[in-house]
Amino acid sequence: DTGVSQDPRHKITKRGQNVTFRCDPISEHNRLYWYRQTLGQGPEFLTYFQNEAQLEKSRLLSDRFSAERPKGSFSTLEIQRTEQGDSAMYLCASSPGHGGDTQYFGPGTRLTVL
Amino acid sequence: AQTVTQSQPEMSVQEAETVTLSCTYDTSESNYYLFWYKQPPSRQMILVIRQEAYKQQNATENRFSVNFQKAAKSFSLKISDSQLGDTAMYFCAFMKRGRGGADGLTFGKGTHLIIQP
Repeated sequence: DTGVSQDPRHKITKRGQNVTFRCDPISEHNRLYWYRQTLGQGPEFLTYFQNEAQLEKSRLLSDRFSAERPKGSFSTLEIQRTEQGDSAMYLCASSPGHGGDTQYFGPGTRLTVL
Repeated sequence: AQTVTQSQPEMSVQEAETVTLSCTYDTSESNYYLFWYKQPPSRQMILVIRQEAYKQQNATENRFSVNFQKAAKSFSLKISDSQLGDTAMYFCAFMKRGRGGADGLTFGKGTHLIIQP
């Protein structure tokens, strides 16, 4: 197992377009998290899944954002009608699902909205 | 809501020196975890060390140790015998331990640590 993977690593899009990112967690990790990191800031929590159930969503996650984890394995994060303010690094993390979990991060997807 | 504050935007030390990174947090929770993550330039976030709030003993991992002061809500990271590969952004993070399990991490803004040869 090679850890959390994310695809694509970089995405450049024009304002108003839709984009979708994928995250593959460490196998057998029940929990999957999405974060957003802008330049010079720490990551900000967006949402997380326990298996296929989305259990928490941050107020940062506007109506244009949607996340899924249909079979409790990989997850997708879609941003509709992108805005320049969406430009950021989108990080995915997974954890085993036991108490006191440590989250293991993927390399991130860097989104640039022109 | 929790907040995490890292008051040192950047620090620079010589190789082999010891350096301490500061972190304070604010929470009304009694059951939580604290973490230090490292993010090297253009590389992914990796865990450095973690501390359970219910444990009084400070966590250590090789050259890395913490000074956890629960009453003061302080959680500093000490790096001994610093190495060039320690150059990175260091983030302090908080995670509450709620009913049903863990929630998302709350991060500080980070400290950019530079190890000079």
